[in-house]
Amino acid sequence: DAGITQSPRHKVTETGTPVTLRCHQTENHRYMYWYRQDPGHGLRLIHYSYGVKDTDKGEVSDGYSVSRSKTEDFLLTLESATSSQTSVYFCAISGGQGYTGELFFGEGSRLTVL
Amino acid sequence: GEDVEQSLFLSVREGDSSVINCTYTDSSSTYLYWYKQEPGAGLQLLTYIFSNMDMKQDQRLTVLLNKKDKHLSLRIADTQTGDSAIYFCAELNSNSGYALNFGKGTSLLVTP
Repeated sequence: DAGITQSPRHKVTETGTPVTLRCHQTENHRYMYWYRQDPGHGLRLIHYSYGVKDTDKGEVSDGYSVSRSKTEDFLLTLESATSSQTSVYFCAISGGQGYTGELFFGEGSRLTVL
Repeated sequence: GEDVEQSLFLSVREGDSSVINCTYTDSSSTYLYWYKQEPGAGLQLLTYIFSNMDMKQDQRLTVLLNKKDKHLSLRIADTQTGDSAIYFCAELNSNSGYALNFGKGTSLLVTP
């Protein structure tokens, strides 16, 4: 299994509080991604990174920011959590171009915003 | 944007074959994927197919690709109760850092 660790795995917070989710990889993969999974929507891309300090927005980036200061860590921050951000968040990694493109996923972080 | 489409539910009897269908959007996708998600877990890659192939077989799994119709299917032979899970079809999106665009997932229920 790919070495991807997400933390925390579960979090309950209140509306308006900041939340940071962490994704740590030991595979030295260049690309990292944050997705959210919601019933009826499947997986939707929030942000991705193509290198240290290189990030870009995905399909549902509003209300989220990311940072990547080291190859192995990709942080997802909700500056002021809202109930609509209650979801399961998945981090994924990929070698990108030159590979067969598959993503390897972490186990997910379940966030509940009350 | 356009969506990758899948039927939402499929129920089969143990021992039968399961066929999960998907319609993807980007005719230039070089790779197409099938992932499996068990309850409470992340997604696991089952198999993938390169766009210049029509078929790929891997043990009980057969993937068929019809590029003209942008249709992908996954056949699971001799389906077992352990195959009960959500199956996601995905296409490679080279415009978003090689992210994958996923369908909404097909919940497969295998009954004894």
